[in-house]
Amino acid sequence: QVQLQESGPGLVKPSETLSLTCTVSGGSISSYYWSWIRQPPGKGLEWIGYIYYSGSTNYNPSLKSRVTISVDTSKNQFSLKLSSVTAADTAVYYCARVGVVPAAPYYYYYMDVWGKGTTVTVSS
Amino acid sequence: DIQMTQSPSALSAFVGDRATITCRASQSISNYLNWYQQKPGKAPKLLIYAAFSLQSGVPSRFSGSGSGTDFTLTISSLQPEDFATYYCQQSYNTPYTFGQGTKLEIK
Repeated sequence: QVQLQESGPGLVKPSETLSLTCTVSGGSISSYYWSWIRQPPGKGLEWIGYIYYSGSTNYNPSLKSRVTISVDTSKNQFSLKLSSVTAADTAVYYCARVGVVPAAPYYYYYMDVWGKGTTVTVSS
Repeated sequence: DIQMTQSPSALSAFVGDRATITCRASQSISNYLNWYQQKPGKAPKLLIYAAFSLQSGVPSRFSGSGSGTDFTLTISSLQPEDFATYYCQQSYNTPYTFGQGTKLEIK
């Protein structure tokens, strides 16, 4: 079955750029949306954004000015970049697949496969 | 953004009890509502999507209901492995938003 694995530095300095990659195994990255979600220590979940395998994106407006999500279909990977980080960006970062079920005229979206998460600490 | 509010924030119950968690949206979201379970140190797990559709592999003691602004997650007979934190999430529009979570603890 499809598995996701996050990777990237666990420590980032303030004002620098956080960069994470999610590798998809056991299935193709094509024909799905892929999302990033984060969870600060002891707090709830925050949706960061998603990307379609074709490259179209949708970001949370609260982070939009600092976020870039990209996809590399040849490597079955998608990535997150978050610029100008502060201590408030310290969190566990999860990647997830977005499942879709048609429900005319719209679609049901839900995050059905998650990576295990990776902890990113912003500190000098 | 659509605000999602869960109640209660914490719930204590015995094994075998019936547990009910409520989620309220700040505007109507039809039935674009998902429920997740999260255990300490683990990623969230999808339980229910589209308000009442059970995700494959999830035990039938979990059920969801509701439409519009008010939704419910019910666990019919609590098992030891059900003690966790539960989140609702709306997918009516972006940004997707989650409730603050309900921590279900064993009594």
